Amino acid sequence: QSALTQPPSASGSPGQSVAISCTGTSSDVGGYNYVSWYQQHPGKAPKLMIYDVSKRPSGVPDRFSGSKSGNTASLTVSGLQAEDEADYYCSSYAGSNNVVFGGGTKLTVL
Amino acid sequence: QITLKESGPTLVKPTQTLTLTCTFSGFSLRTSEVGVGWIRQPPGKALEWLALIYWNDDKEYSPSLNNRLTITKDTSKNKVVLAMTNMDPEDTGTYHCAHSARFYDFRIGYYFSFFDYWGQGILVTVSS
Repeated sequence: QSALTQPPSASGSPGQSVAISCTGTSSDVGGYNYVSWYQQHPGKAPKLMIYDVSKRPSGVPDRFSGSKSGNTASLTVSGLQAEDEADYYCSSYAGSNNVVFGGGTKLTVL
Repeated sequence: QITLKESGPTLVKPTQTLTLTCTFSGFSLRTSEVGVGWIRQPPGKALEWLALIYWNDDKEYSPSLNNRLTITKDTSKNKVVLAMTNMDPEDTGTYHCAHSARFYDFRIGYYFSFFDYWGQGILVTVSS
C-alpha cells in the first residue's frame, strides 16, 4: 500500500480538463508545501511536471498546474492532448528527509 | 544536458547483494547541494524512494529499507553506487537513479523533495 492515495484511473476527451487527486496526511502532504508530480509514459523514465505544489520546471506546458488543500494535492491537466496519456505519480516530503510516493493514476485521453 | 544511466546485474538470486551503478553527466557532485538518488518501481506498481547521497557525502535512506542499503559516490568518475543486501523476489523491479538537490527551509532545515532528471532505469529480477 502506497503512502499517498491516488485514484487508479482518470480520463477525459481532447480539449477537456482533468484533475488527479493525491491524498496524504498532516505528516506529509498537509504538513509541507513540497508536493511533486511526475509523468511516466510506458517504458520511459518519469518526468518531473510539478514541484513545490504548483511550480513548473522549464519546458513543462502551462496546461499542467498543481494545487493543494489540506491533506490533498491535485494535478490539473487542461486542454487535454493525446500525448498527455500516461501514468502520473505524486510525491511529498514526509519529514526526517523522507519522500513518499502515491500509487499512480493512469490518465486516458478518450 | 543532464543524463543518468543505471548499470548492473539484471538477475540476482535471493539472499544475494545487489550492486547498481549510476553514471551521470551534465552536472558534478562537487556542486553544493546537489544529490543523486535511487528510486525503484516493482512491475505495475508505484515508485518507492530508496536512498540519496549529496555532494558533501551526506546520505539519506528510506526508513523501511535503511538496514539493507548503502549508497556511495565516486565524484571524480561521476558515479554513484547503491548496494542492497539480502535480496528477495519482492525486490524485483526497475531501479532508477535521478538527480536531486537539497534546499533550506527555516522550519525543517535542509531537505530534498523532488527528482528533476531520471535515468531510464534497469530491470532487476530476483529469482533462484
